[in-house]
Amino acid sequence: QVQLVESGGGVVQPGGSLRLSCAASGFTFSRYGMHWVRQAPGKGLEWVAYIRYDGDDKHYADSVKGRFTIARDNYKNTLFLQMSSLRAEDTAVFYCAKHGDYDYGFAFDMWGQGTMVTVSS
Amino acid sequence: DIQMTQSPSTLSASVGDRVTITCRASQSISSWLAWYQQKPGKAPKLLIYKASSLESGVPSRFSGSGSGTEFTLTISSLQPDDFATYYCQLYNSYLWTFGQGTKVEIK
Repeated sequence: QVQLVESGGGVVQPGGSLRLSCAASGFTFSRYGMHWVRQAPGKGLEWVAYIRYDGDDKHYADSVKGRFTIARDNYKNTLFLQMSSLRAEDTAVFYCAKHGDYDYGFAFDMWGQGTMVTVSS
Repeated sequence: DIQMTQSPSTLSASVGDRVTITCRASQSISSWLAWYQQKPGKAPKLLIYKASSLESGVPSRFSGSGSGTEFTLTISSLQPDDFATYYCQLYNSYLWTFGQGTKVEIK
């Protein structure tokens, strides 16, 4: 079964750190780029970060640059998001999503169910 | 960065209505535009990619059009399962930007 399953969310204090994971199955994970996307409560979608299939190219939204790090382990079929210096405005559901290639117009063709991150004292 | 403006923010419609949602980019993005549907508490679902290509398994009542700076998602005959929030998304030089979303409500 093709799926993405996020984990690692929780409550963290401002200034704290958290690492999210996304376990992939049912497709050849090492052949595809991956993304993190977040959604604050009651708000719209915000792209967070992208990592190339081999992990050698990464891109970030300005809002998280220097604080968040995207990574992957192709042997364990797992995507990560290391978040540090967390702020209240980082509170959101975080989704991992599979990168569609050129033929898909670089759209996100598969999504996980999301994991909630709450930054609060 | 390229800005994306999606309208309307809310749309009230009845079953069977033809519904149109528009996204405008601040500069040309060729056809690098996708549309997603999201229901409450669920992950987004890809509907349309490359402005007008229908994702596998998506009903044919959904269609996308446009290129350059103006794009449209059309639902030809609204069904009960279509009441949801819809987002456009542009791609440009390793940056992806979502529109603000359009909530389609029951009239």
